[in-house]
Amino acid sequence: KQEVTQIPAALSVPEGENLVLNCSFTDSAIYNLQWFRQDPGKGLTSLLLIQSSQREQTSGRLNASLDKSSGRSTLYIAASQPGDSATYLCAAISSNTGKLIFGQGTTLQVKP
Amino acid sequence: GAVVSQHPSRVICKSGTSVKIECRSLDFQATTMFWYRQFPKQSLMLMATSNEGSKATYEQGVEKDKFLINHASLTLSTLTVTSAHPEDSSFYICSARDRRDSNQPQHFGDGTRLSIL
Repeated sequence: KQEVTQIPAALSVPEGENLVLNCSFTDSAIYNLQWFRQDPGKGLTSLLLIQSSQREQTSGRLNASLDKSSGRSTLYIAASQPGDSATYLCAAISSNTGKLIFGQGTTLQVKP
Repeated sequence: GAVVSQHPSRVICKSGTSVKIECRSLDFQATTMFWYRQFPKQSLMLMATSNEGSKATYEQGVEKDKFLINHASLTLSTLTVTSAHPEDSSFYICSARDRRDSNQPQHFGDGTRLSIL
């Protein structure tokens, strides 16, 4: 059974700092891995999707990497801004079941 | 880009009421839609997979008679919480996958916050 874990659960940084959010998964048989952003009381915004054959994806100040062999993904946020404050969720699609399994999320606060 | 519309965004109702939530794919067709539930400060838990023209597939521990799912067309799935009670209060989110490309990510609705008094 696929389990997705995110560390840390919460993170507070000053504006301008570069930061890394971690995601690990127990079953390497994944179809792809996605990173989402969720603002309080809102739905999900897809940030990046990494196919199982890829190692990283970039969008603006965001860079996500994927290492299937070690069961890890990281989301790198460069030059953080207060507007980046939100909960970040990673989710893996299992190759076996096609289901999207979410981690618990990392709640990020960027202080001005 | 692809958009999934979820309605209503918020519902407050009395215990015993049945509540219907709609999930529509606006510019693509979806043979498969997904329903998730999220408790405060927790992650999303998959409740069921909605399949167009056939019965939904429920995750273990989810009561199918409690959470009725109908996927009658390629652009609409509905979740009905029957005889809702306070413990059903939660944030419900749907997602849909474009039938033309399974490599594309699921597109999520904005969620429905259900509060049962």
